Order: sequence, then structure tokens, then C-alpha cells
Amino acid sequence: GENVEQHPSTLSVQEGDSAVIKCTYSDSASNYFPWYKQELGKRPQLIIDIRSNVGEKKDQRIAVTLNKTAKHFSLHITETQPEDSAVYFCAASWNNQGGKLIFGQGTELSVKP
Amino acid sequence: EADIYQTPRYLVIGTGKKITLECSQTMGHDKMYWYQQDPGMELHLIHYSYGVNSTEKGDLSSESTVSRIRTEHFPLTLESARPSHTSQYLCASRDWQTYEQYFGPGTRLTVT
Repeated sequence: GENVEQHPSTLSVQEGDSAVIKCTYSDSASNYFPWYKQELGKRPQLIIDIRSNVGEKKDQRIAVTLNKTAKHFSLHITETQPEDSAVYFCAASWNNQGGKLIFGQGTELSVKP
Repeated sequence: EADIYQTPRYLVIGTGKKITLECSQTMGHDKMYWYQQDPGMELHLIHYSYGVNSTEKGDLSSESTVSRIRTEHFPLTLESARPSHTSQYLCASRDWQTYEQYFGPGTRLTVT
């Protein structure tokens, strides 16, 4: 079945450093790849997403890259700030499956001031 | 304000009770989803719906059931709660144009 693997499970960086989180997916039919940020006790919120016809997308300090051949995608956060500390989830979706999302295991990012 | 709402936010009940978790969205989305999540852990899809009168089971086996009689309403029911059902339940709906899923605030369920 469909599967999404996410690494690392925890990541600690100094304020101002960059953070990279990687995900791989199993089904080559996947066509939509969102990243969600979940702060403690709050709902997941979309921070950036990419569709399969695009290789890279950037929004200020956040970027996502997609390699369809290798079936992996990555989240890049530059100039990290303490408020970036949260759990980040990648996901993959198949449009012909009702748009359901299969999530990765999550990465707990800690940004130390 | 267009949003997705869940009630109750917190619930503590005894084993064997029947409960219904409510989810409503005012965004006019057709597709809706229920996820189960232990704190800080992976989200597991337990049910989804393409629209009115459509329901499908997700990837995680669940003893719950859902219904979709109205577009905006997607309640989840546990006929007989057990301690293993203790978890957070998140409802979501999907924008057909942007593909984005919007999550509700969640219901944190504890079964004693």
C-alpha cells in the first residue's frame, strides 16, 4: 500500500541555522505533497505544498523540492527562529483516491536561541 | 467566518459508552476526513467522504462509524468506547481547487 517515510524524527538546530527534513513516498502516482506544521496542542496547519508538475517551490524562508524519479521530497527552512519549533509532517496524496493524505511519521524541530 | 469546528474539545468517558464526535465545516467542501493522532505522533486516516451519502474506511482499522447526510456535517460515532480509543481525533475538509486540507481543532478523548 501507499507509504510515506520521514526523517529525521527529531532535529535540533541553533537559531539562524538551516533545517532540512526529508520524505520518501512509495506510489509513483502521487501528485500532491503538502507540509504541515503542528505546534503543541494545536491543529496541523499547511505551510507549503508542491504538485508533481513542479520541481521546487519557495515561500520566504521555506522551500520544498521534489524529485519524482527518486520519489522523495524535502522541506528546507532557512534562518530558523525559535517560533519555528514544532512538529512537521510531510504527506502525499493521490487525486484518484479522494484526495486522502498519507502522512509521514513527523519531525520534532527544536530551534535553540 | 469560514472554518471547521469540532465538539466537544475534550471528553472523558467510561468504558462501554456510546459517543459521537461532531465535525462541521462552513467552507462548502465536498471531501471530508477523520484522522486519529496520539500527541505529536503520525496522523492516521480512519474515515473519509467524497460528499453526501459517501463514506469510506481509511488506512487505520477503526471500530468507529461515520455518516454524511449533509455536506457540512461529518460526525464520527463509537458504539462502545474502550481505553484503546483514547487519542486525539482530528476532522479535516479539502479545498477542491488548492487541494489543501483544513483541520479542525480536534477532540481529545480519554476512555477510562
